[in-house]
Amino acid sequence: SQQGEEDPQALSIQEGENATMNCSYKTSINNLQWYRQNSGRGLVHLILIRSNEREKHSGRLRVTLDTSKKSSSLLITASRAADTASYFCATDNYGQNFVFGPGTRLSVLP
Amino acid sequence: DGGITQSPKYLFRKEGQNVTLSCEQNLNHDAMYWYRQDPGQGLRLIYYSQIVNDFQKGDIAEGYSVSREKKESFPLTVTSAQKNPTAFYLCASSIQGNGYTFGSGTRLTVV
Repeated sequence: SQQGEEDPQALSIQEGENATMNCSYKTSINNLQWYRQNSGRGLVHLILIRSNEREKHSGRLRVTLDTSKKSSSLLITASRAADTASYFCATDNYGQNFVFGPGTRLSVLP
Repeated sequence: DGGITQSPKYLFRKEGQNVTLSCEQNLNHDAMYWYRQDPGQGLRLIYYSQIVNDFQKGDIAEGYSVSREKKESFPLTVTSAQKNPTAFYLCASSIQGNGYTFGSGTRLTVV
């Protein structure tokens, strides 16, 4: 019952560039979240955006939500090598658990 | 510091053997979850529990069992009925309306 689907599956950029990842989903949501996972580690919660919000910022992260298009984007500005990780979106569709997409693998090259 | 602890970090299972993965949290979160992650893949929900002494099956519960006798603890048993158990297992907890806090994971390998 996969809800969110990230795009692209993989992304390689140079240090200092911006990275944009997208997430599309199918049904109405209560909120949408983005997580980061470094290789072999647990996921770390980055940002939660509620269905009545359109944009949120946290440091170098900017998340947008377009409920009419059922999509969200995560922008990482001025990327660093330490940003290399997999990024997942998760949707809370008024259920009792969140549904995760397959993730975007980001590589930031020095 | 509050957090969620998974143990062991690495676990090896022989064919036909049951193994139990530990998950403990001191965040006072009501809900706890177990996910399975295969290489290069997303997370698939195994079981979740919203309250003590109650839990529900997720998308891939076959071959797994859980218990929730205490708010802080949500152990996962991988039984011999799980034919392909080699994976990375992640435990998480949450308060309703907020994001998940994840443990650092247990990597299970069948030998």
